[in-house]
Amino acid sequence: DTAVSQTPKYLVTQMGNDKSIKCEQNLGHDTMYWYKQDSKKFLKIMFSYNNKELIINETVPNRFSPKSPDKAHLNLHINSLELGDSAVYFCASSHSGGDYEQYFGPGTRLTVT
Amino acid sequence: AQSVTQLDSQVPVFEEAPVELRCNYSSSVSVYLFWYVQYPNQGLQLLLKYLSGSTLVKGINGFEAEFNKSQTSFHLRKPSVHISDTAEYFCAVRRTSYDKVIFGPGTSLSVIP
Repeated sequence: DTAVSQTPKYLVTQMGNDKSIKCEQNLGHDTMYWYKQDSKKFLKIMFSYNNKELIINETVPNRFSPKSPDKAHLNLHINSLELGDSAVYFCASSHSGGDYEQYFGPGTRLTVT
Repeated sequence: AQSVTQLDSQVPVFEEAPVELRCNYSSSVSVYLFWYVQYPNQGLQLLLKYLSGSTLVKGINGFEAEFNKSQTSFHLRKPSVHISDTAEYFCAVRRTSYDKVIFGPGTSLSVIP
C-alpha cells in the first residue's frame, strides 16, 4: 500500500487554466505539507496543515489555495496558472508528536505552456 | 532565521570509494537535523536524523552523520558507495515539531563505475 499518494503524477496545462492536485496519506499522521521543487531541485515549503488547521503559510501567491477536508487528505488548487508555476509539487505527512520524519509522496510534475 | 548550506552542489565519486557530503546550518536555537535522499523521479525519503543524544547518527543504506554543535555542521558519510547511491541528497533543519523544515539546496552524488 502506498503511504502518501498524489494524483495526477503529470499535469500539462496552458497558462490561465485552473488545476488541482490531490494528496492522500494512509499513515494515520495528523500533519500534511505541500512543497514546491523547482528546476534546480530547490525544495521550499508552501503550506502545512495540522488536524485540518493551517499552521504554515509561506509567501505563496494567493492563486494557490490548499484545502484539507480531513486529516488524511490535503489538496492544492491553483488558479490562473503561470509559466513560473511549472515545477514538481510534493505532498508530505508526519506525526506532530512523533519522530519528526516526513514521508513524501512521489510528486506531481506540473508543466505550464 | 535558519538557513542550511550544502557547499558541494555536485560530488562525483568512484564506486567503493568513501564519500562525505557537507552540511552547515545557522540557527540561534537548538535544532533537529535531517538528511533526506531523492532518487531520480521519486519523492524524498529519510536517511537519518539527529534529535538529541549521541552526536554520531547511523541511518539506512550504510550512511552515518555526525552532529558538531560548535561548527554547526551535520556532515553525511559513507565508507564505500555503490552505483545505487547515485541520487540527490538534502540536508534539512527544523526548530520544533510545529516549525517548518528548511531544506538545503541539495548535493547531487554521482557514483562512477
